[in-house]
Amino acid sequence: DVKVTQSSRYLVKRTGEKVFLECVQDMDHENMFWYRQDPGLGLRLIYFSYDVKMKEKGDIPEGYSVSREKKERFSLILESASTNQTSMYLCASSPWGYDNYGYTFGSGTRLTVV
Amino acid sequence: GNSVTQMEGPVTLSEEAFLTINCTYTATGYPSLFWYVQYPGEGLQLLLKATKADDKGSNKGFEATYRKETTSFHLEKGSVQVSDSAVYFCALSPLLGAGGTSYGKLTFGQGTILTVHP
Repeated sequence: DVKVTQSSRYLVKRTGEKVFLECVQDMDHENMFWYRQDPGLGLRLIYFSYDVKMKEKGDIPEGYSVSREKKERFSLILESASTNQTSMYLCASSPWGYDNYGYTFGSGTRLTVV
Repeated sequence: GNSVTQMEGPVTLSEEAFLTINCTYTATGYPSLFWYVQYPGEGLQLLLKATKADDKGSNKGFEATYRKETTSFHLEKGSVQVSDSAVYFCALSPLLGAGGTSYGKLTFGQGTILTVHP
């Protein structure tokens, strides 16, 4: 079964810490995405990547960065965590092409910044 | 820009009731439309999709028809079960190659919480 795996289900970090959220997919997908999910706001795109070492900002990139050194791995980095970054973070991947396949999502990482 | 609007929730139904969750969108051109479902404690799963006008997507008893004239993609099920309790998200993806670097990015609605009671 194809998978998108996020390294942690729950994380608690302190304000000011540098936080790494890891995502790995085994489907050889070109595109990978990071979203955050907040009640009443749905999913908002933070960053996405369409190839190794390539990245583009989404709708809410402030306070975040990303890294994609290998095709299967896409990392989200909170340079200095703040309490307003407490949220559910979802990673997704999709193949490249004109026929829209939709995304495959990971199970999410619930991050609490205290 | 692209946007998706879902009906306000939460929605609470009794088992075997009829379900409709409204979804309307704003987009240029001919986007693909999706419904995703998120069960408690899990990530999102693709429920169904439609890629052109008048297409009907269907899965697990759920249906949605792509209505370009009303820019809508309402989700329906004739008889809901307790196991359908979840959060439902409507989403759109612009047609790749329509211009810009969309790369199939999905724009999501805010989600609708569905609770089904026995």
